[in-house]
Amino acid sequence: SAVISQKPSRDICQRGTSLTIQCQVDSQVTMMFWYRQQPGQSLTLIATANQGSEATYESGFVIDKFPISRPNLTFSTLTVSNMSPEDSSIYLCSAEGPGGPYEQYFGPGTRLTVT
Amino acid sequence: TQLLEQSPQFLSIQEGENLTVYCNSSSVFSSLQWYRQEPGEGPVLLVTVVTGGEVKKLKRLTFQFGDARKDSSLHITAAQPGDTGLYLCAGAGVPDSWGKLQFGAGTQVVVTP
Repeated sequence: SAVISQKPSRDICQRGTSLTIQCQVDSQVTMMFWYRQQPGQSLTLIATANQGSEATYESGFVIDKFPISRPNLTFSTLTVSNMSPEDSSIYLCSAEGPGGPYEQYFGPGTRLTVT
Repeated sequence: TQLLEQSPQFLSIQEGENLTVYCNSSSVFSSLQWYRQEPGEGPVLLVTVVTGGEVKKLKRLTFQFGDARKDSSLHITAAQPGDTGLYLCAGAGVPDSWGKLQFGAGTQVVVTP
């Protein structure tokens, strides 16, 4: 199975600033995904990030607020821009597994608190 | 949007007891995954079910996909404290939205010694 790491693991940020979250996979994958999760609750897909193409955003999420980079087959970043307290959440990245894009492996998450 | 409803939302049992978690939808899914998540970690894939009526066993865990591929269940036999966690079902829609998973709200399971 793929091993996925995220940095930072947690951060406390001030309103109006931006934070970039890094996601590293230990093997090459075509599809990577970014999710948001409130503690103890379900996951909401933010966007799909494929190498060599623009990220595809889900309804309610826009590129200006959550710009994503996917420079190669093992790495992606998600930026949370112009943060407000409503952006406080856990942000998770995932990558497709050997069984296909529906069998996803997840990073440990980044816990973001905006004050 | 294809919604997945999980029940119960919370389950607290004693070690050695059995439990069942349900995942239901009015929509058909091409496949359904079960994940377990522990505090401070990302979800970990437990199983994928694809065929209607399919039953898969993973040690003390039994997973079933409904005949119509609209529902699934997870049954744990003789639960252990290590089974504690948030159990999430996730479905891949029909027609396939490549890679997009619809997650249920989750069932928090607590197994006490």
